[in-house]
Amino acid sequence: NAGVMQNPRHLVRRRGQEARLRCSPMKGHSHVYWYRQLPEEGLKFMVYLQKENIIDESGMPKERFSAEFPKEGPSILRIQQVVRGDSAAYFCASSPYLGTSGSYEQYFGPGTRLTVT
Amino acid sequence: KQEVTQIPAALSVPEGENLVLNCSFTDSAIYNLQWFRQDPGKGLTSLLLIQSSQREQTSGRLNASLDKSSGRSTLYIAASQPGDSATYLCAATFGNEKLTFGTGTRLTIIP
Repeated sequence: NAGVMQNPRHLVRRRGQEARLRCSPMKGHSHVYWYRQLPEEGLKFMVYLQKENIIDESGMPKERFSAEFPKEGPSILRIQQVVRGDSAAYFCASSPYLGTSGSYEQYFGPGTRLTVT
Repeated sequence: KQEVTQIPAALSVPEGENLVLNCSFTDSAIYNLQWFRQDPGKGLTSLLLIQSSQREQTSGRLNASLDKSSGRSTLYIAASQPGDSATYLCAATFGNEKLTFGTGTRLTIIP
């Protein structure tokens, strides 16, 4: 069972370009989370998605950032018109169906390191 | 506000010693607490998950405890090895599914 996969692992964009980060959850996992780790800072929650639904986007910047998890294919985190402050490591995590018994363990991918020049 | 704190930010320990890493949280309505390891430039490796109904979990040389009343969790590492050198992160969920992370403890095991 392959782990959480993210690509690309490294991404360089010039200011004003768009960045698209992809995340394929572990097999059987229907919940995806995106976190951001700014240089010398801790990981911060961005968004929580299930298939075709955004459940919690309370950590997403109001502008330029969007996320989706379509019925087919990977989850995508899109950053439009990138700025230098967007340079960070972006991590995706997945967990299985939660049911009613509480949270399950989140498994993290290797991250995408975005550099904005 | 729900916060997770890890002190100290860095710790150096001679090889072979047992050690304890600390994590504190502000909300006793915690669902889960998860300990991770992060190597430089790498992703996060999940070490242990403690659900709110549990007091501790063990995996090999690692033992994690959870005390909701005092708002504390500890990660105990027995017989430390140089390969244990990494940043250790604790993270909690509080009534929702998002993880709130501490800023980590950077552990160095001295050969």
